[in-house]
Amino acid sequence: DAGVIQSPRHEVTEMGQEVTLRCKPISGHDYLFWYRQTMMRGLELLIYFNNNVPIDDSGMPEDRFSAKMPNASFSTLKIQPSEPRDSAVYFCASSLPRSQETQYFGPGTRLLVL
Amino acid sequence: SQKIEQNSEALNIQEGKTATLTCNYTNYSPAYLQWYRQDPGRGPVFLLLIRENEKEKRKERLKVTFDTTLKQSLFHITASQPADSATYLCAPSGPGNNRKLIWGLGTSLAVNP
Repeated sequence: DAGVIQSPRHEVTEMGQEVTLRCKPISGHDYLFWYRQTMMRGLELLIYFNNNVPIDDSGMPEDRFSAKMPNASFSTLKIQPSEPRDSAVYFCASSLPRSQETQYFGPGTRLLVL
Repeated sequence: SQKIEQNSEALNIQEGKTATLTCNYTNYSPAYLQWYRQDPGRGPVFLLLIRENEKEKRKERLKVTFDTTLKQSLFHITASQPADSATYLCAPSGPGNNRKLIWGLGTSLAVNP
């Protein structure tokens, strides 16, 4: 099993540019989570999906952030326009529908907005 | 609001000793609590899950306790090894019947040979 796949692994962009982060969850997992991690705030849940439907997006910072899951094997997190304070590591995680709630994380995308 | 607190200071111990990490939570009662390990440049990796009706859970050299009265979980690594050096994250389930986890900032553990 390849695990959760994220791309790109690193992204450097200039303020005001659009950034799109991509995630492929583990096959058979029907929950998908997007997190942001910084030293000061730790891991913050941005949004999560169940069966491709957004369940809770209360962690999305503002309208500049949007997330989609067009099918069971693909999700995107978009930031438009990007700002320097968006610099962080963004993780995608997935989990099984059964009672065990373990989340499996991808390697993360390290985003730097200049 | 819900708050999770872990040892803010890094923990340095000698190889072979037992490492004990603390996780305290306030303002709610999680149904379960998970511990994850995170190495530099990588995503967190699941270690153990303990439910509110369980007092203790073990897995090899790892042991987790869950005291719902004290609102605290302790994570122990016995016979620690340099390979155990990492950041350990506590993640209680969020309030309500959903999949949200509330994450602590983590405790950095260094095991010295």
